[in-house]
Order: sequence, then C-alpha cells, then structure tokens
Amino acid sequence: GENVEQHPSTLSVQEGDSAVIKCTYSDSASNYFPWYKQELGKRPQLIIDIRSNVGEKKDQRIAVTLNKTAKHFSLHITETQPEDSAVYFCGAGGGADGLTFGKGTHLIIQP
Amino acid sequence: EAGVAQSPRYKIIEKRQSVAFWCNPISGHATLYWYQQILGQGPKLLIQFQNNGVVDDSQLPKDRFSAERLKGVDSTLKIQPAKLEDSAVYLCASRRQGAGSTDTQYFGPGTRLTVL
Repeated sequence: GENVEQHPSTLSVQEGDSAVIKCTYSDSASNYFPWYKQELGKRPQLIIDIRSNVGEKKDQRIAVTLNKTAKHFSLHITETQPEDSAVYFCGAGGGADGLTFGKGTHLIIQP
Repeated sequence: EAGVAQSPRYKIIEKRQSVAFWCNPISGHATLYWYQQILGQGPKLLIQFQNNGVVDDSQLPKDRFSAERLKGVDSTLKIQPAKLEDSAVYLCASRRQGAGSTDTQYFGPGTRLTVL
C-alpha cells in the first residue's frame, strides 16, 4: 500500500517569512495529492491540491510543487500570517480512492 | 451547501463496551469514507463506500469494527467491543461523483472517542 512521509513535524517561522513542508510517497500509481489544514479541535479543510499531470499549482500565498520522478511534493506558504498557525497534512491517493496521509506538521507563526 | 454532519461529537465509554457513530454526507455525494485519527497522527482510512457498496475495507479491523451505508446516504460505524487503543477521532468524509466532480474529500467535524 501507499506510505507517506511528512517533514518536519514542527515548523516555527517568523510572521511574514515563508514556510515549506515536504512529503514523499511510495506508490507510483498515486495521482492526487491534497493538502489539508486542521486547526485544533476542528475538521481538516482542503487548502490546495495537485494532480500528477501538473508540476506546480498556486493559489494566492499558497503553492504546491510535485516531482513525480522523485515521488515528492511540497507545500509553500509565503508571507505567513498568524492565522496560518495550524497542523498541515499532506495526502496521496488515486483520485477516487481513500487517501493516505502524512503524520502532520505543526506550523507555528511567531509574531 | 450543508457540510458533512456527524454525531455524537464526543463519546466516553468503558473498554469492552460498544459504540456507534453516525455520518450524513453532503447531499448528492456518492462516495463516503471513514477515517480514524489518533492524537498526533494523520487520518487513517478505515472504509470507503460507493453508494451502498464497500469499495475498500482493507484497513478495517473487522473483528471489532463494522460499517454500513444501507440506503447509500448516511452511514454508521460501530465498534464492538472497544479497546483502549480505539481512542481517537473518527472522521467521516464525502466526495461527489460524476460530471463536474473533483477529487476533493470534504470532512465532517468528527466524533472524539475516549475508551477508559
């Protein structure tokens, strides 16, 4: 089955700086890679996703890059703000399939 | 549109007791997933339904967990008997299917289970 590794487990950045979270996956059949944000006690919310036929996708301050050959993808958040503080999960799957998630990254934005 | 609904939000039981969780997906979403999220970890898929049929239950501990989606709409996940290690948040997610659909899975608020 699929295995997803996510790093780092905790990331602390100064407000206004950029944050990068990286994930690797094992199953070359995976073709869908979402990123979810989960605030304490709340449901995971999709923030951006990418399919394997695209190398990069951007939505305002958030971007995701995918390297299919190396089987890794990354989340980039620029100009971080206090409301970006949360746990971020990367996922991998076959589109309609259930997702395999990483263990999460606790992002801390320091004022 | 209304989101995925789950109940109860919290449940505390003794080990060896039984418990059931309910999920109502977003209207029109044919695919429904149950995930288990242990504290400090990412969600882990337990079972996936397509309408009222099971697509994937390979990670469901079938000796104690069961799930059904009899009419292809809402779903129930049951644990009998519960063990201490079942303490987790149980998340339900749904996905639309068909023309114009995406791969996006929408999550419910979850049920936090504590087994004592």
